[in-house]
Amino acid sequence: AQRVTQPEKLLSVFKGAPVELKCNYSYSGSPELFWYVQYSRQRLQLLLRHISRESIKGFTADLNKGETSFHLKKPFAQEEDSAMYYCALPSYGQNFVFGPGTRLSVLP
Amino acid sequence: KAGVTQTPRYLIKTRGQQVTLSCSPISGHRSVSWYQQTPGQGLQFLFEYFSETQRNKGNFPGRFSGRQFSNSRSEMNVSTLELGDSALYLCASSTGGGPPYSPLHFGNGTRLTVT
Repeated sequence: AQRVTQPEKLLSVFKGAPVELKCNYSYSGSPELFWYVQYSRQRLQLLLRHISRESIKGFTADLNKGETSFHLKKPFAQEEDSAMYYCALPSYGQNFVFGPGTRLSVLP
Repeated sequence: KAGVTQTPRYLIKTRGQQVTLSCSPISGHRSVSWYQQTPGQGLQFLFEYFSETQRNKGNFPGRFSGRQFSNSRSEMNVSTLELGDSALYLCASSTGGGPPYSPLHFGNGTRLTVT
């Protein structure tokens, strides 16, 4: 069965510091991974997906099949990055399995 | 394009009652998924409809049901409400293809409180 873990419930960093949000998965097939973000008082929205191999708002994520990870990284955190971040793994029928989420707090 | 719209935003119901939630997807999206979000269990998949057919279903009791209309709008129904059904119910639409899977676009959710 699919499973997504995010070991940190809360991650606090200072503005300008690097940030890494961890995501590990278990899946028997060929995985596709997504990161979703929820800013305060806003709806859950797509941040990035691994097949696009793009950088969004300075964030990047690399799929590491050997370590079954899809960690989200940003070299210099900004206060506006404070939000809830979810890693997700889809399967047939748009059944996305979401991790428990990590709350990122960027301190001034 | 207008985003995913869910109505109502808030609902308060009593145990034993039933409730219907509505979702209007982004124009052109044929897939509508429903998720339950709670502090303890996080985001859990309920079911997905594509072109009026249920394609996939999560591990929820039969009290949870849904349907999709020809215009892709979807409704979710919960019968015989229990206190544990209190949650934020999220609807998401997508083009429904995959793999590669198209991303989900979420609504603001319906906050259901069961007393």
